[in-house]
Amino acid sequence: EDQVTQSPEALRLQEGESSSLNCSYTVSGLRGLFWYRQDPGKGPEFLFTLYSAGEEKEKERLKATLTKKESFLHITAPKPEDSATYLCAVTTRPIYNQGGKLIFGQGTELSVKP
Amino acid sequence: NAGVTQTPKFQVLKTGQSMTLQCAQDMNHEYMSWYRQDPGMGLRLIHYSVGAGITDQGEVPNGYNVSRSTTEDFPLRLLSAAPSQTSVYFCASTVMGLAGAGGAGELFFGEGSRLTVL
Repeated sequence: EDQVTQSPEALRLQEGESSSLNCSYTVSGLRGLFWYRQDPGKGPEFLFTLYSAGEEKEKERLKATLTKKESFLHITAPKPEDSATYLCAVTTRPIYNQGGKLIFGQGTELSVKP
Repeated sequence: NAGVTQTPKFQVLKTGQSMTLQCAQDMNHEYMSWYRQDPGMGLRLIHYSVGAGITDQGEVPNGYNVSRSTTEDFPLRLLSAAPSQTSVYFCASTVMGLAGAGGAGELFFGEGSRLTVL
């Protein structure tokens, strides 16, 4: 069964303390891996798409990387406004094809204290 | 652009009641979908649509109906609410074919509808 597992469930950092979030996946043929950010009481907001092992994407203090079994979201010198839940999702076929869907992990709740 | 708009934001139902969660998008997206988010379960796909008149089941469709009469609107109907349907519901849309091999996983989500069934 296709599965996505995120760790840790929760992470508390001091402002400026860099760290990484992990997303490990077990799927039958990865087509794409996606990172989303979700603020409390809001819908997820798209951050990155990664397609193949070795690929990296960056946005401000965030960098996402991909290997054949997992993805990391690296947060460099985080600020309190980076506090949110970060969701990882994968697809094994286009989501508009029958049976296609995003398979989400449970998320990592990040808290950055000043 | 308003993006994806969901109503209502909060709703309390009694077991057996029916209701409709509304979703509208103004981005001319072909693909629309409904997810539910439960603690410890992640987001799960309920139903989706690839265009007006075309809908299909997702992972957890039981107890829910959908229809798509226009490109803009994709309502989700609860036929006879049960406590197990207590959840936060998200509508999401995207352009089909976006992002190449990724298969349009870059979804635009609404702000959610929080439903409690007593």
